[in-house]
Order: sequence, then C-alpha cells, then structure tokens
Amino acid sequence: GESVGLHLPTLSVQEGDNSIINCAYSNSASDYFIWYKQESGKGPQFIIDIRSNMDKRQGQRVTVLLNKTVKHLSLQIAATQPGDSAVYFCAEKTSNTGKLIFGQGTTLQVKP
Amino acid sequence: GAVVSQHPSRVICKSGTSVKIECRSLDFQATTMFWYRQFPKQSLMLMATSNEGSKATYEQGVEKDKFLINHASLTLSTLTVTSAHPEDSSFYICSAQRGRESEQYFGPGTRLTVT
Repeated sequence: GESVGLHLPTLSVQEGDNSIINCAYSNSASDYFIWYKQESGKGPQFIIDIRSNMDKRQGQRVTVLLNKTVKHLSLQIAATQPGDSAVYFCAEKTSNTGKLIFGQGTTLQVKP
Repeated sequence: GAVVSQHPSRVICKSGTSVKIECRSLDFQATTMFWYRQFPKQSLMLMATSNEGSKATYEQGVEKDKFLINHASLTLSTLTVTSAHPEDSSFYICSAQRGRESEQYFGPGTRLTVT
C-alpha cells in the first residue's frame, strides 16, 4: 500500500547548526510533496512544498530536495534555532486522489 | 488569509455520549474539507474527505456510522463522534481546501478525551 516514512524518529542538533530531515515515499505516482511542522498541541504548519517536476526548492532558511529516482525527500534547515524544535512531517499527494498521505514524523530537538 | 478554525479546542465527554467538532474556513470558501485523527506520538491519519453538499468519503477502517460528517456549507464541516469510547480519545484535525489543486489549510486541532 501507499506509505511515506521517515528514516530517523528523533534528530538532535546544536543551535546554529544545519538540520537535515529525511523522508522516503513509496508511491511513484505522487506528484506533490509538502513538509509540515507541528508543535505540541497544534495543527500542522506548512513549511515548503515541491512538485515532482522539480528537484530542489528553497525558502527562507529551508530547502527541500526531491530525488525521484530513489523516492527520497529531504528538508534542510539552515542555522537551526530553538524555535525550530517541533515534529516535522513529510506528506505526499497524487493528483488523481487529491489526498495527503503523511509520513511518521521526525522530532527535531535543538540544543542551546 | 486562509485561516481554519476548530471548535472546541478541547472537550471531555463521558463514554457513550456524542460530541460534535466544528471546522470553519474563516476567510475563504472550501470546496473540500478533510478530517484527520492523530494519536500521541503518531502521524496524522486521514479519516474522511468531505465535499460541500455531498456525502463524505471515508477511508478504509473508519466507521461512517460512528464518525458522522456533515459539510453543509462552503465554510463549515462538522464531525460528530457518536457513542464515544475511551479508545476514541485522540487529537482531531481538520483541513480545508479551496479547490482540488490548492493547498490544504489546517485547523488547530481538537483534543477529545473520553472518560
């Protein structure tokens, strides 16, 4: 069945370092991918997205990389700050269903 | 823009009772709304897709008679958990979408505790 998974359940980084969160997806028909940040007790917050016709997209301090060959997605956060501490989810979407499938989540802990 | 609200934010109910959760798109019309459930330290699981004016489409394993969804207008969808049991305790999150190709905007979630 469809699944989107994350390699590491918890990532601990030092403040100021760069963070890389990885995600594997299994549905080769997925054509849209999104990273969300979820703080405790809150709903998911959109961070950045990428369509399958791209392999890289940059935002403010964040970069998403897409490797369709190995069905891998990553989120890079530059100069990680304490406010970045949260759970990060990748999600995939296919045009034909319109549904988002979420990965398992990675907890990012930023040490001061 | 694109704000989605949920009410209530927290609710405690007794086993066997029903509870209704509202999801509203405050500044846009949502043709489609989605309901997710999230257990502690787990991911979001899609429960159902709701289109305005039509019956909701439920994901496999989600009981439609237990989780009643009504999408009566382009700005409001409701989820009613009927005959709630402690195992229904969870974080329920809705999202709203303007059109099929647009982004989903998420609500802040509703924490349901069934005692």
